[in-house]
Parts: sequence; C-alpha cells; structure tokens
Amino acid sequence: GQNIDQPTEMTATEGAIVQINCTYQTSGFNGLFWYQQHAGEAPTFLSYNVLDGLEEKGRFSSFLSRSKGYSYLLLKELQMKDSASYLCAVTDYKLSFGAGTTVTVRA
Amino acid sequence: GAVVSQHPSWVICKSGTSVKIECRSLDFQATTMFWYRQFPKQSLMLMATSNEGSKATYEQGVEKDKFLINHASLTLSTLTVTSAHPEDSSFYICSADGTSGSAATDTQYFGPGTRLTVL
Repeated sequence: GQNIDQPTEMTATEGAIVQINCTYQTSGFNGLFWYQQHAGEAPTFLSYNVLDGLEEKGRFSSFLSRSKGYSYLLLKELQMKDSASYLCAVTDYKLSFGAGTTVTVRA
Repeated sequence: GAVVSQHPSWVICKSGTSVKIECRSLDFQATTMFWYRQFPKQSLMLMATSNEGSKATYEQGVEKDKFLINHASLTLSTLTVTSAHPEDSSFYICSADGTSGSAATDTQYFGPGTRLTVL
C-alpha cells in the first residue's frame, strides 16, 4: 500500500522561505515528484528526486532521503503567484499522490 | 515540447448520458497514459492505467464498465463515463508517460484537465 503524508496548509509572507515536508511509506519506490497545482488547473511538474540529496532549480529546491522515507520542497523568495497547492507524489511506475499542501503567500 | 491536451475542457451533461474525454500527446508518443480523478479540495486519485493496444488496468474500486478506456494509438487515449450521475461530477486529468520524442523518460506530463458536471 501507499501512505504519503504532508501538511494540509501553510502560510508565509512574501519574500520568505517555506519548507513543505513529505513522508512516505510505499510498497515500491522509483522516485519522488513535487507538483504545483493552482485551483482548477492540472498539476505542473516542479522536481523529481530518485537519489538522496538536494536538487536545486532556481527558487525551488527538493530534498530526498530514501532511508528515512522523507522529502521536502523548499520555496525561497516567495511571491504571491506561489500561492497554490503543492503535491508530493511517489512513483513505482504509477504515481501515488499525497493530499497536497495549500500554501498561502501574504503580502 | 511534451504537451498533453485534453478535450473538452469542461462539459455539462444530463444524468444518464455518456461523456467521452480525449487525451492526446501532441509531440511525443506515449505507450502508457494514466487517468486521474480529483474531487474538490482532494488530491488526485489514479483511476486506471491505459496501455496502447491492450486493456486498461483499473485501480481498486473503479468500475471498468462505467469508465471505459480506449488507447487506440500512441498519441490518443479516451475515457468514456457511461450513464453519468451527479456523483461522477469531478475534475478528470490524464497524463502521458514520456517514452520518446520531446518527452523526458520517467516523467509524467499532465493534460489540462476536464471538468465534468452531471446535472
């Protein structure tokens, strides 16, 4: 079975940093994705980790520890447009999604 | 590159009718496509895995006779919601597995979604 946990909501101020944690217990593992989803839209790809460590892409970074079943997405220099739901998803060929973390960025 | 389209974007239908949703990979071939459903304020739930030229694999609890999937070519999969009822109202999203062309492997590319409202 798949069990993927992430916080429901987070609020932060424009320009700040926010870290969204994701823990998982899955029967198979072939990588972990982070997606951003704005209301009423499909998810858009942010990052993919398959090996332990930190992947940095501009303002967004993602970390993975396979031994701990743990990942986080780090959003730096928050902008108002970053207000969205962030989905952690584990793939063992099929994607299993967490419930998503709604991030609200306030001025 | 790696664009997935869905048609229609939204549809409103009467209870008891059938609705067909198309998912196309525009610039790459996808031997595997996935269909998801998302209810308001919930995450995506995988409904089925669609493989070109073979029968779809449905997740537990998804009625295969109600949600008909056809993956007739490497760029097109269709989902037909048969005898739709109000509880089928949802956001349906497809994704295509990157295997060739402009798509990166081991990455799923999502379509824009189809919002279905059954009256």
